[in-house]
Amino acid sequence: EPEVTQTPSHQVTQMGQEVILRCVPISNHLYFYWYRQILGQKVEFLVSFYNNEISEKSEIFDDQFSVERPDGSNFTLKIRSTKLEDSAMYFCASEDGGELFFGEGSRLTVL
Amino acid sequence: GENVEQHPSTLSVQEGDSAVIKCTYSDSASNYFPWYKQELGKRPQLIIDIRSNVGEKKDQRIAVTLNKTAKHFSLHITETQPEDSAVYFCAAASNNNDMRFGAGTRLTVKP
Repeated sequence: EPEVTQTPSHQVTQMGQEVILRCVPISNHLYFYWYRQILGQKVEFLVSFYNNEISEKSEIFDDQFSVERPDGSNFTLKIRSTKLEDSAMYFCASEDGGELFFGEGSRLTVL
Repeated sequence: GENVEQHPSTLSVQEGDSAVIKCTYSDSASNYFPWYKQELGKRPQLIIDIRSNVGEKKDQRIAVTLNKTAKHFSLHITETQPEDSAVYFCAAASNNNDMRFGAGTRLTVKP
């Protein structure tokens, strides 16, 4: 069964450092998403991406965040200058107009 | 934007009993209402979904009901089993573009 893959599974970084989280969505999907889940809390929408541009973003997705689809397969989330409160599990998801498929997540720890 | 409220935050039932989780949403444009099950440390997985042109949907032991007028939808699990223990999230979206999640319900099924 096709699946969304994410790397790294866990990243530890110092406050102020840049982080790039990578995702490979399911190959024939058209819509891509990033979500964040702070430990023990709900899944929060960050951004949706369609046709090579952001289609929707939440209030969490400020100027420190950016997304890119640099080639035909990868979908990346960049955090420019990490803060302590960015520590969370980041889930990538993709869908083709039906079910949303989540990756296994990248756990980001900011020290 | 959409705001999804979910109740209860925790629910404990005896094996074999039914469990009901309720959600309300605010945006009348929302037309897609999935439910996700998240086991500890894992990604959210879709268990059932309903679209706004349907009032009820059932899949074996799980069912979802939707009341568009009142803007609420519910998940019903019958004959609960210990393996149903997890955190359940409801979500609401208009055309999947900006899916917003409820805060989650931790369901514990006691053997």
